[in-house]
Amino acid sequence: NAGVTQTPKFQVLKTGQSMTLQCAQDMNHEYMSWYRQDPGMGLRLIHYSVGAGITDQGEVPNGYNVSRSTTEDFPLRLLSAAPSQTSVYFCASSYSRMSNQPQHFGDGTRLSIL
Amino acid sequence: GDSVTQMEGPVTLSEEAFLTINCTYTATGYPSLFWYVQYPGEGLQLLLKATKADDKGSNKGFEATYRKETTSFHLEKGSVQVSDSAVYFCALWDRDDKIIFGKGTRLHILP
Repeated sequence: NAGVTQTPKFQVLKTGQSMTLQCAQDMNHEYMSWYRQDPGMGLRLIHYSVGAGITDQGEVPNGYNVSRSTTEDFPLRLLSAAPSQTSVYFCASSYSRMSNQPQHFGDGTRLSIL
Repeated sequence: GDSVTQMEGPVTLSEEAFLTINCTYTATGYPSLFWYVQYPGEGLQLLLKATKADDKGSNKGFEATYRKETTSFHLEKGSVQVSDSAVYFCALWDRDDKIIFGKGTRLHILP
């Protein structure tokens, strides 16, 4: 059982570069989301999707784009990397947006922007 | 908006000690409440949940009771082990399809 798979696990970028963090789930989950985790800040929601073709902004969306063309995939794009985007990024999914559903998390992508 | 507040860490205990990590929330209505655990280098895992007032979630010796009157969901364990060392997050679903997390509490258990 793969669950939620994030790639890459580690990445170093230079300021101004762009990249895409990949997230895939094999559980046919409708709901997917991206978080960033910073020391002392907990998890902050970047973007989320309640189903294929539908995305919405979370708490800290600036500098990030997402799309949801399939149920399985929810990539996160950094348009022009900045040092403030150095963080650990987690993708999560759940069966639906019904409020009793737990989230399934990937193992994270550790991103450093120089 | 909705929010979750949990006690700041780190919390350091000796093995077999009693654990309480406090969590209180502010929300419209009665959201489902969750505790997640994060071990070093890993993503978060669901530890337990409660979906309505007075529900008690439990798993691996951990318990938490949904208290509507005090808007709380404190995590407890009667006898902690070194393997319980991790970061614990309290969370809720808000009415806008978003999950709100607390800032996390780091727990260290000494042998």
